Amino acid sequence: QVQLQESGPGLVKPSETLSLTCTVSGGSMNSYDWSWIRQPPGKGLEWIGYISYSGNTKYNPALKSRVTILVDTSKNQFSLNLSSATAADTAVYFCARTYTSAWGEHFDYWGQGTLVSVSS
Amino acid sequence: DIQMTQSPSSLSASVGDRVTITCRASQSISSYLNWYQQKPGKAPRLLIYATSTLPNGVPSRFSGSGSGTDFTLTVNSLQPEDFATYFCQESYSVSLTFGGGTKLEIK
Repeated sequence: QVQLQESGPGLVKPSETLSLTCTVSGGSMNSYDWSWIRQPPGKGLEWIGYISYSGNTKYNPALKSRVTILVDTSKNQFSLNLSSATAADTAVYFCARTYTSAWGEHFDYWGQGTLVSVSS
Repeated sequence: DIQMTQSPSSLSASVGDRVTITCRASQSISSYLNWYQQKPGKAPRLLIYATSTLPNGVPSRFSGSGSGTDFTLTVNSLQPEDFATYFCQESYSVSLTFGGGTKLEIK
């Protein structure tokens, strides 16, 4: 059973970079893409971007200028950097395994999520 | 950008009821539509992908249908564990946009 676990600071100052890591266990990172998805408190879900095990990335155009996703397959981890953080980036951040089929991408395994607040 | 609109935004029903949730895309997305269930304080759970395919372990009382711009999620014979928030997600565009959610509450 694949498991994902997010880790990183719960508080980030405005204008700084929000950084999170997702550790994957119970399975190989090969053959899948790995996403970050966020959910502001009480609101809906927003896909941020994903990375393949080989390092190819795809980002949400709305966030692309501020997002970097990296992968370290030797550690079974991938990470998120979101630069120039503002209060609007306050959200629960989820990492998720992304399966791409003939009908596009869906997210079949998720981490439990971690709340990141952007505040001085 | 594709907008995904769910209706209703909230819904009250009783155990044993049959409920239908609708998701409408702002442009045609063929069958590129997925559904998730989320309970408070938990991560979403994949319920249906490619409009109507259930992953292993999802009860058969859940079903999905639709094509183009209009899609439905139906839950037959609601169980207590089905009371949650449901989200649709398009997998047609580069933005992988989610709907705003439908909160299913117990009557």
